[in-house]
Amino acid sequence: EVQLVESGGDLVQPGGSVRLSCAGSGFIFSDHHMDWVRQAPGKGLEWIGRIRHKGRGYTTEYAASVRGRFTVSRDDSQNSVYLQMNSLKTEDTAVYYCSSSAEGNCFDKWGQGTLVAVSS
Amino acid sequence: DIQMTQSPSSLSASVGDRVTITCRASQGIGNSLAWFQQTPGKAPKPLIYAASSLQSGVPSKFIGSGSGTDFTLTISSLQPEDFATYYCQQYKTYPFTFGPGTKVEIK
Repeated sequence: EVQLVESGGDLVQPGGSVRLSCAGSGFIFSDHHMDWVRQAPGKGLEWIGRIRHKGRGYTTEYAASVRGRFTVSRDDSQNSVYLQMNSLKTEDTAVYYCSSSAEGNCFDKWGQGTLVAVSS
Repeated sequence: DIQMTQSPSSLSASVGDRVTITCRASQGIGNSLAWFQQTPGKAPKPLIYAASSLQSGVPSKFIGSGSGTDFTLTISSLQPEDFATYYCQQYKTYPFTFGPGTKVEIK
């Protein structure tokens, strides 16, 4: 079964840090670009970052709202992608989804999401 | 950044109806457009990529069309499971951006 499973969501104080993980199974993880998308409570979807696969040099892209604070990384030996979130703000409160994209496709697999709440 | 707009923001329809949702990009994106369906508390479900290609397992009642700046998603013969919020997304240029969503409700 094709699956993406996120973990690591938590209640964090403003200025704090958290690391999210996303584990893939049932597909060739190393051939896929991996993205993080978030959804604040009652709001729409916001793309926040991508890490390309090895063939594209593991290069990354970020939304302006998180650049310099969030870092996307991956470990293909563990079929996992990570989102390191630093200097958290209350507006970072959201459900965070990971998603995978094969070459020629786009966001074709999604995890169930993990909630990060930033509050004092 | 490329801005994505959707219309209408919400609509009411009956089971069996055919509905069309429009998505517009603030600049040309070729066919680099995807559609997603989301029900409350669930992850987005991918429906269409490359403007008109169905994702695996998605029924053919979902029809995507368009290129450049104007795109549509048509759902023929609405069923109870189709009542949801639909988002378009451009993946031509970073940052990837989503439309604000269209909520399809039961009349």
